[in-house]
Amino acid sequence: DAGVTQSPTHLIKTRGQQVTLRCSPKSGHDTVSWYQQALGQGPQFIFQYYEEEERQRGNFPDRFSGHQFPNYSSELNVNALLLGDSALYLCASSLDGPGPGYTFGSGTRLTVV
Amino acid sequence: QKEVEQNSGPLSVPEGAIASLNCTYSDRVSQSFFWYRQYSGKSPELIMSIYSNGDKEDGRFTAQLNKASQYVSLLIRDSQPSDSATYLCAVMKDSNYQLIWGAGTKLIIKP
Repeated sequence: DAGVTQSPTHLIKTRGQQVTLRCSPKSGHDTVSWYQQALGQGPQFIFQYYEEEERQRGNFPDRFSGHQFPNYSSELNVNALLLGDSALYLCASSLDGPGPGYTFGSGTRLTVV
Repeated sequence: QKEVEQNSGPLSVPEGAIASLNCTYSDRVSQSFFWYRQYSGKSPELIMSIYSNGDKEDGRFTAQLNKASQYVSLLIRDSQPSDSATYLCAVMKDSNYQLIWGAGTKLIIKP
């Protein structure tokens, strides 16, 4: 049973560029949440996708956008990259509803230079 | 005031001793509480979840919740060097299923 798969694992981009990160949820999960974790900080909620719609959004600018596909996989897009966007980006999948059913992927380490 | 607060540490504990990690939260409507362990460069891994006041035990781990004091803690008995990691406290409001995280406490178990 595959867990949450994220790609790529590492990425280096230049300021102003655009990046797309990908996530395949755990089998049976229908909800995908994205988090940003800066070094030495706890994860910060970016947004959550359910039924191909953005259901919740954290305090992130419109440069951060996403998409969920019919197979529940998801993409996170970041435009006009800033140095401050350098972080570990975590994808978590779950079944819709409350509870601890979050399964995290191994993350994508994004470095903006 | 941050929504979820933890002492950043590092907390240094001798091998075999009890490690005590603490977390406070500000929103009284919070209903679900979680402890995650995160090794350096890795993603968070769920250790314990707790939903009602009192203690919940799982192996060497015990989570304690006091909603009146808005306080949740994690005890690790018989600490092992492999327990050395950052421990993240996370709180969920059932109204939106969004996890709010503390910044984590770095735990070091000394052999």
